[in-house]
Amino acid sequence: GAGVSQSPSNKVTEKGKDVELRCDPISGHTALYWYRQSLGQGLEFLIYFQGNSAPDKSGLPSDRFSAERTGGSVSTLTIQRTQQEDSAVYLCASTYGGISNEQFFGPGTRLTVL
Amino acid sequence: AQSVAQPEDQVNVAEGNPLTVKCTYSVSGNPYLFWYVQYPNRGLQFLLKYITGDNLVKGSYGFEAEFNKSQTSFHLKKPSALVSDSALYFCAVRDHTNAGKSTFGDGTTLTVKP
Repeated sequence: GAGVSQSPSNKVTEKGKDVELRCDPISGHTALYWYRQSLGQGLEFLIYFQGNSAPDKSGLPSDRFSAERTGGSVSTLTIQRTQQEDSAVYLCASTYGGISNEQFFGPGTRLTVL
Repeated sequence: AQSVAQPEDQVNVAEGNPLTVKCTYSVSGNPYLFWYVQYPNRGLQFLLKYITGDNLVKGSYGFEAEFNKSQTSFHLKKPSALVSDSALYFCAVRDHTNAGKSTFGDGTTLTVKP
């Protein structure tokens, strides 16, 4: 079946603009994660959705970042008033079932803020 | 709080030699441990996981990892490295009391030379 998909694959924007990044998880996966991977860095946790529970937003770096998940499926990560330090690869992952299960990652969206 | 440490940014081995990529972790409860691999210009892929039971777990591409509770380690190993194993490797931990949030290490770049 289809894997996790993300769009766009690349996004170049100007400082101060808003951007929206989209994630389509694997059908039936109940959990969805967003991470940020900066050049030469590891994965930075941003936000986690599990079913209908309130999301874990503890990793969002500032109030310029927000995310929603509609209908328990597609998720959108929004970054308002982008800054150059927001430049990174944004990764989405989904998981089925319980927390002992592995994550399936999308190809990522490379965001460049000029 | 949970954390993961990958003490080596870079590991270099010769093809045919055994390889080890180190990972130590810290969690308050019982850990779920994962290894992922990121090949150049590709997304993260799951390699193997430890949930419970046998301390030695086997995964994809001939990799294995040993869970050591007393040393809080989960080192990734392979008896005979291939050039095609060259990639970025991430260790991740999930605490079963932390509702599914995953913490990743900073990654280790493995280079296997012919």
